[in-house]
Amino acid sequence: QQPVQSPQAVILREGEDAVINCSSSKALYSVHWYRQKHGEAPVFLMILLKGGEQKGHDKISASFNEKKQQSSLYLTASQLSYSGTYFCGTPLGYKLTFGKGTLLTVNP
Amino acid sequence: DVKVTQSSRYLVKRTGEKVFLECVQDMDHENMFWYRQDPGLGLRLIYFSYDVKMKEKGDIPEGYSVSREKKERFSLILESASTNQTSMYLCASGGAYYEQYFGPGTRLTVT
Repeated sequence: QQPVQSPQAVILREGEDAVINCSSSKALYSVHWYRQKHGEAPVFLMILLKGGEQKGHDKISASFNEKKQQSSLYLTASQLSYSGTYFCGTPLGYKLTFGKGTLLTVNP
Repeated sequence: DVKVTQSSRYLVKRTGEKVFLECVQDMDHENMFWYRQDPGLGLRLIYFSYDVKMKEKGDIPEGYSVSREKKERFSLILESASTNQTSMYLCASGGAYYEQYFGPGTRLTVT
C-alpha cells in the first residue's frame, strides 16, 4: 500500500519553513525520506527507525510516530537548494513503497 | 560513498529492438532494483533482485526481464521495445536498512 504524502506541492520564499507529511494505512517500522532535484536521480536523505525518533540532515529534520503510522519532514529556514521533489518510502519486505512525492519550490 | 552507475544517460531505440540497460554498484549490496519514473506516476518498481541469480517481479514487470549474474551488476532487458516504454529508468542499490541509492538514470526514447 502506497504511503500518502501531503501536501502535493508547496511554494516558499527563501528562509521560510515547511512541513511535509507521510502517512500509511499499514503498520510502519521505518520511514525513509528522499529528495529528487529536477533532472537528477533521487537521493537518500535519512531513515527513521524508531517511534518518535528525530533525525537531521542540514536544517532538514524528520519525526516518526509509529502509533499514528506517520512521519513528517521539517525544512527550516529553507534555501534555494532545497527545491525538488521529496518522497517518503516505507519498507515492504525487500522493497520500498514510495509516496507520489511533494514538489517543493523555494523562490528568492 | 555508495556509487551506482548506469550504462547510458540517454538512449534512443526503435520499436521492436532489444534493449539492454546495465547497472553496477560498488558497495557489495545484496539488493538491487529497477524503477521507471514517469510524470504524475512517481517511481514504479519493475523488478528487483535480492541475491545473485534471484529476482522478483515488481509492480510493472510486463515487457521487461532482468539478469543478475554477478552481485555488483543488474541488467534490465526490454525484449521488444515499444513506444510506451519511453521513460526514465532508474537503478538502485539497497543498503542494510533497505535504504536505496540511485544511479543517475537512463532516459530511454523508443521511436
